[in-house]
Amino acid sequence: DTAVSQTPKYLVTQMGNDKSIKCEQNLGHDTMYWYKQDSKKFLKIMFSYNNKELIINETVPNRFSPKSPDKAHLNLHINSLELGDSAVYFCASSQDLGEQFFGPGTRLTVL
Amino acid sequence: AQSVTQPDIHITVSEGASLELRCNYSYGATPYLFWYVQSPGQGLQLLLKYFSGDTLVQGIKGFEAEFKRSQSSFNLRKPSVHWSDAAEYFCAVGPFSGGYNKLIFGAGTRLAVHP
Repeated sequence: DTAVSQTPKYLVTQMGNDKSIKCEQNLGHDTMYWYKQDSKKFLKIMFSYNNKELIINETVPNRFSPKSPDKAHLNLHINSLELGDSAVYFCASSQDLGEQFFGPGTRLTVL
Repeated sequence: AQSVTQPDIHITVSEGASLELRCNYSYGATPYLFWYVQSPGQGLQLLLKYFSGDTLVQGIKGFEAEFKRSQSSFNLRKPSVHWSDAAEYFCAVGPFSGGYNKLIFGAGTRLAVHP
């Protein structure tokens, strides 16, 4: 069973479009995260939700809007995509301050 | 400010040789420390973690790491590297004030293994 899953795995789109990435975890964790990994492999947190409540927002452009319909799901919607948004986006989850479990990533390419 | 430094961007070792990947951190209190591995095109898998207690921690795949508070280091070691260990390795530190479980990652070390 996949613990943290993301869809889609690959996403290729044009500048200016709006797209969403979905994440689901079946671990029963209370906290979920979005991380961005750039072309140099640098990983940086974007958002964190705890029980559907936003608790971390790391000065991400407001074109990025996370949404958590329930504690097992955390989606990421991106408006007006720009070239610089091209990256791999990872979803993760954890229970309290424990280790974070990562999804397989979504590679977003903006043309 | 909290940060993680992995001084070696790229390391190449021969299969069967020993390995040490360096990690230094800057953190105001006792940190939680992690090593993750990322194989090409894959997500991140936790190798091991340090929260408290014994400063030498054992992980999966034969890896271990030692927390040295005096040196602000958490180096990853393996006595004999296998070709399948070729991957990107990330050191991370957390959590942060307010109890936020935000991980700060180092820039990663890419490991290549020669047969």
